[in-house]
Amino acid sequence: DAKTTQPTSMDCAEGRAANLPCNHSTISGNEYVYWYRQIHSQGPQYIIHGLKNNETNEMASLIITEDRKSSTLILPHATLRDTAVYYCIVRVGGYQKVTFGIGTKLQVIP
Amino acid sequence: EAGVAQSPRYKIIEKRQSVAFWCNPISGHATLYWYQQILGQGPKLLIQFQNNGVVDDSQLPKDRFSAERLKGVDSTLKIQPAKLEDSAVYLCASSPLQGPSGEQYFGPGTRLTVT
Repeated sequence: DAKTTQPTSMDCAEGRAANLPCNHSTISGNEYVYWYRQIHSQGPQYIIHGLKNNETNEMASLIITEDRKSSTLILPHATLRDTAVYYCIVRVGGYQKVTFGIGTKLQVIP
Repeated sequence: EAGVAQSPRYKIIEKRQSVAFWCNPISGHATLYWYQQILGQGPKLLIQFQNNGVVDDSQLPKDRFSAERLKGVDSTLKIQPAKLEDSAVYLCASSPLQGPSGEQYFGPGTRLTVT
């Protein structure tokens, strides 16, 4: 799997957009970008994934650069419940194993 | 739809003792994973099953860890004998698809403390 680089921690004011960056400069053409998050004392939760195009679902938006070397997860209106560790992962997909890094600890501040 | 179930939620044992964890994946999910998450780190895959066959166990310490998935449904992970460094949260996950959207659904985990 391609390696990803994320900031260790970030703060975001409640109600504002949270933009979480991820670098994956060695991503292969058949690898997808996945985002998971892990709220304290819970198992990781799938958020979104994409290949080349930007993606949006009820939880978040994923913006992937044209060269696919980086991406940004956007939580449009962060709430206190969004405080969690966010993991950016690249993988081929399907049942290929997920390799987690350290992730970004997002703290949403009232 | 019921989520991934795990038990027990917490376990405290002494080193050199044995322990077993149980996982019931989401109904119909063919792929099941066991992860180990040490405090402050991301989850690390221990073993992956496709139905009841092992797909990847390259990071499973086979001298003390074992896992099985009977009839391609429930799974158990065993540690025998436990060491202090096995203290961690053990997460089970399942996945329904083999296509690109193979997102994984995680259970709440079992927190193991080895004293």
